[in-house]
Amino acid sequence: QVQLVQSGAEVKKPGASVKVSCKASGYTFSNYGISWVRQAPGQGLEWMGWISAYNGKTKYEQKFQDRVTMTTDTSTGTAYMELRSLRSDDTAVYYCAREDYDNSGSDYWGQGTLVTVSS
Amino acid sequence: DIVMTQTPLSSPVTLGQPASISCRSSQSLVHSDGNTFLSWLQKRPGQPPRLLIYKISNRFSGVPDRFSGSGAGTDFTLKITRVEAEDVGVYYCMQATQFPLTFGGGTKVEIK
Repeated sequence: QVQLVQSGAEVKKPGASVKVSCKASGYTFSNYGISWVRQAPGQGLEWMGWISAYNGKTKYEQKFQDRVTMTTDTSTGTAYMELRSLRSDDTAVYYCAREDYDNSGSDYWGQGTLVTVSS
Repeated sequence: DIVMTQTPLSSPVTLGQPASISCRSSQSLVHSDGNTFLSWLQKRPGQPPRLLIYKISNRFSGVPDRFSGSGAGTDFTLKITRVEAEDVGVYYCMQATQFPLTFGGGTKVEIK
């Protein structure tokens, strides 16, 4: 069965970086993309960007363009999202989702990773 | 960017009664390939989002048939025929026709 397992909760200071991992199993990793979505406390869902696990092509939401890097490691079936220059308003739960772009879209989701930014 | 607007913000429903959520996009979601990439997701507290409906009206694997989606172009609807206790949560529409992908603001379904 398709599973996305994310890394554990992180606490970071303002200005630091965080790197969240998302390990996929149960499907051919390179045949799909991975989106990253976050949800701040009391807020809605916010799309951050997408990466093709086939060729590493990325699309980022403009507001994160200068601070985010999404990568994949096809040898381990793992996607990564690094966010730099963290601010308190980056405190959120971060989700990865498998993207079946031409069909069912964001169909399987990781369990979420809480990132807390606090001095 | 495509703006997704959902109504209502909140929907108090009696168990066993229907619920309906509307989603409007700021521009047509018809892709150049003819598909319309409009999805509905359910978000329960403490759980990750769950895909319910994709491409307007296709139920995802394991989704009960009391959930249905309809619409075209810029106007879309999610219906729950008979709300059950486990349906409580926030529902989001999402478009994937054009980057950046965008979500509606969410509709909270709660039991009266």
